[in-house]
Amino acid sequence: EPEVTQTPSHQVTQMGQEVILRCVPISNHLYFYWYRQILGQKVEFLVSFYNNEISEKSEIFDDQFSVERPDGSNFTLKIRSTKLEDSAMYFCASCRDRGTVEKLFFGSGTQLSVL
Amino acid sequence: GENVEQHPSTLSVQEGDSAVIKCTYSDSASNYFPWYKQELGKGPQLIIDIRSNVGEKKDQRIAVTLNKTAKHFSLHITETQPEDSAVYFCAASIRANNLFFGTGTRLTVIP
Repeated sequence: EPEVTQTPSHQVTQMGQEVILRCVPISNHLYFYWYRQILGQKVEFLVSFYNNEISEKSEIFDDQFSVERPDGSNFTLKIRSTKLEDSAMYFCASCRDRGTVEKLFFGSGTQLSVL
Repeated sequence: GENVEQHPSTLSVQEGDSAVIKCTYSDSASNYFPWYKQELGKGPQLIIDIRSNVGEKKDQRIAVTLNKTAKHFSLHITETQPEDSAVYFCAASIRANNLFFGTGTRLTVIP
């Protein structure tokens, strides 16, 4: 069964450092998402991406965040200067159908710890 | 924006019993309600979903009900098995491109 792959599974970084979280969506999917979950809190939407541009972003997704699809397979989330409050589990997701979150497939997540 | 509340946060049941998880949502415009199961070390996996034009949907031991008037929806798992133990998330979608999640329910099925 096809799956969304995320690397690394765990990332530890110092406050102020840049991190890049990587995702390989399912190959025939066209819509890509990043969500995050702070420990004990809800899974929160960060950003959606289609046709090489951001479709929608939440208030969380400020200037410190950026997304990129550098080639035909990878989808990355960059946090330019990490803060303690960026510590969370980050999930990448993808879906095939146009304009819908139905049948959204999630990766297993990257646990980011900012020290 | 949409606000989804989920209860209970933890639930323990004996193997073979039923489990019910409830969610409420705030925006009557939401029209899609998926349920996700998250096992340890894995990402959320879609297990069942329902659209707002349907009141109930069943898939083997899992069923979901939706009450649009009251703005709540529930997940029902019958004849629970140890492999049902996981964290379950409800979500609501007000439009494409975004899901609003509940806080999750940790279900433990005791053999």
